Amino acid sequence: ETGVTQSPTHLIKTRGQQVTLRCSSQSGHNTVSWYQQALGQGPQFIFQYYREEENGRGNFPPRFSGLQFPNYSSELNVNALELDDSALYLCASSLARGPSYGYTFGSGTRLTVV
Amino acid sequence: AQSVTQPDIHITVSEGASLELRCNYSYGATPYLFWYVQSPGQGLQLLLKYFSGDTLVQGIKGFEAEFKRSQSSFNLRKPSVHWSDAAEYFCAVGAGDGNKLVFGAGTILRVKS
Repeated sequence: ETGVTQSPTHLIKTRGQQVTLRCSSQSGHNTVSWYQQALGQGPQFIFQYYREEENGRGNFPPRFSGLQFPNYSSELNVNALELDDSALYLCASSLARGPSYGYTFGSGTRLTVV
Repeated sequence: AQSVTQPDIHITVSEGASLELRCNYSYGATPYLFWYVQSPGQGLQLLLKYFSGDTLVQGIKGFEAEFKRSQSSFNLRKPSVHWSDAAEYFCAVGAGDGNKLVFGAGTILRVKS
């Protein structure tokens, strides 16, 4: 069984630009969560998608948006990039909503905003 | 709201020595607790989790953790550390009906030979 795959692995963008990060969830998983991990910090919850609907959002501005597709893969879009958006973005998939199913994390996308 | 505190930012242990990483959480009901490990530039790998039942849980790579409700703690232990255990360790808590994990700031483990 394949795990969680994220692309690209690294990205450099200029302040003000827009970026799209992609995530393929583990086979059989219908829930995808996105986390932002700034340097030296723990991951922070951005939002979760369950069966193509947003199922909760953390304390992030609306310029962070997402999508989940019928095959349960997902995208994270960030508009009007700021320098503070530089971070490792982690995608996690799970069998269903709720922590009891556990979360499988991808290796992340390292975004650098210059 | 849930929160997690990992009091130690860095810990250095000698190879073969025992290890204990501390984690304290804040949550009103019975929490779902996790320990993850992250190697440099990598994602998070689950070491172990606690939902209910036996308060001593065994994980991968020889790690174990003990849930102590009275102390709101979920400390991670390993009897004998290997050089390959050097990494950053994160404790996380989730609510049973919630949709997210709340992570601590992490503890960086250095292993000296």
